[in-house]
Amino acid sequence: DAKTTQPPSMDCAEGRAANLPCNHSTISGNEYVYWYRQIHSQGPQYIIHGLKNNETNEMASLIITEDRKSSTLILPHATLRDTAVYYCIAPRYYNNNDMRFGAGTRLTVKP
Amino acid sequence: SAVISQKPSRDICQRGTSLTIQCQVDSQVTMMFWYRQQPGQSLTLIATANQGSEATYESGFVIDKFPISRPNLTFSTLTVSNMSPEDSSIYLCSALLADTQYFGPGTRLTVL
Repeated sequence: DAKTTQPPSMDCAEGRAANLPCNHSTISGNEYVYWYRQIHSQGPQYIIHGLKNNETNEMASLIITEDRKSSTLILPHATLRDTAVYYCIAPRYYNNNDMRFGAGTRLTVKP
Repeated sequence: SAVISQKPSRDICQRGTSLTIQCQVDSQVTMMFWYRQQPGQSLTLIATANQGSEATYESGFVIDKFPISRPNLTFSTLTVSNMSPEDSSIYLCSALLADTQYFGPGTRLTVL
């Protein structure tokens, strides 16, 4: 699986967009990028995943660069409840059970 | 998506005893997984629970310490055996459904 690099922490003002970056420069052509978040002491929550096209769902948008070496998770209107650790993971192709969780980014949404 | 429940949600156990954690999925799934999250740390995969065969363990985890059962496509158990305070962690199960893993709420274990 591709190694991912995320900033350890970020702050965001409530109501503003939160843009969480992730570098995955060693990603191969068939490896997806997954995003999860973990709110304190709860199980990780699936957010979104993508291969090379931008993706959007009711929770967030995922922007993947054309060379696929990095991506950005966007929470369009962050709320206090979005405060969590966000994990970017690129498991091996067709082996999506190989979820290797790094340290993630601790996002703090401030009023 | 899949809805996953775990029992118990938390427990406090004595050194040397064993605890079995149950994981129930609301859908039939081919693959289920068990993770450990030590205090202040990220998640670490313990093993993959295979239906109809033995679990596949990651490096550093052994069957004698963490026996796993997978009797059907919706259920799995993880036992933490001969516990020590170092086993105090959150234990999480997950299930793979349509190329996405969904996680349970976790079991918070404290060993005294």
